[in-house]
Amino acid sequence: AQSVTQLDSQVPVFEEAPVELRCNYSSSVSVYLFWYVQYPNQGLQLLLKYLSGSTLVKGINGFEAEFNKSQTSFHLRKPSVHISDTAEYFCAVSRGSNYKLTFGKGTLLTVNP
Amino acid sequence: DAGITQSPRHKVTETGTPVTLRCHQTENHRYMYWYRQDPGHGLRLIHYSYGVKDTDKGEVSDGYSVSRSKTEDFLLTLESATSSQTSVYFCAISEGGDTQYFGPGTRLTVL
Repeated sequence: AQSVTQLDSQVPVFEEAPVELRCNYSSSVSVYLFWYVQYPNQGLQLLLKYLSGSTLVKGINGFEAEFNKSQTSFHLRKPSVHISDTAEYFCAVSRGSNYKLTFGKGTLLTVNP
Repeated sequence: DAGITQSPRHKVTETGTPVTLRCHQTENHRYMYWYRQDPGHGLRLIHYSYGVKDTDKGEVSDGYSVSRSKTEDFLLTLESATSSQTSVYFCAISEGGDTQYFGPGTRLTVL
């Protein structure tokens, strides 16, 4: 079975500061990894995904994530955040063959002026 | 945005009543999913479908059933709603099995 741990439930930062949202996963087989963002009262939107290839993945809105197989991590980063990045962020993992996503519990990013 | 709609968007019902939530897609994707979202739990898979009339259970399927008679529609039924089923329900679709696209959600309150 696979599982996802998002190490921080809440991350407050100031505008224009860098941010890292941490995600660790466990799986005995190769996985696909995803970050989704959920703005208040909305559905989930895909930020970026890792399927194979380069371990540094770039997504929308200036976010990027790095897949680290040895540390089983997929941390999300942004060098300078905006007020509009305030949202909840979910890390998710799937085994490529079973098409089912397992989500972490989410990290609420709050960007303060 | 992927063409996914959910209906109703909000519903308040009483314990013991049946409830059906509908997910409709215009993308002709093969896979469809139902999740529930609860504070502190993230999203948890209830049921999913890998084709018309082909469905399977997720991790929190007790008390829920699903049906898919057409590619575009995936129905989630609570046969007898309980207060523990108060949640936000999301539908998702996927074609190739890797990336899932989510609908806007249905907020269900069971009194």
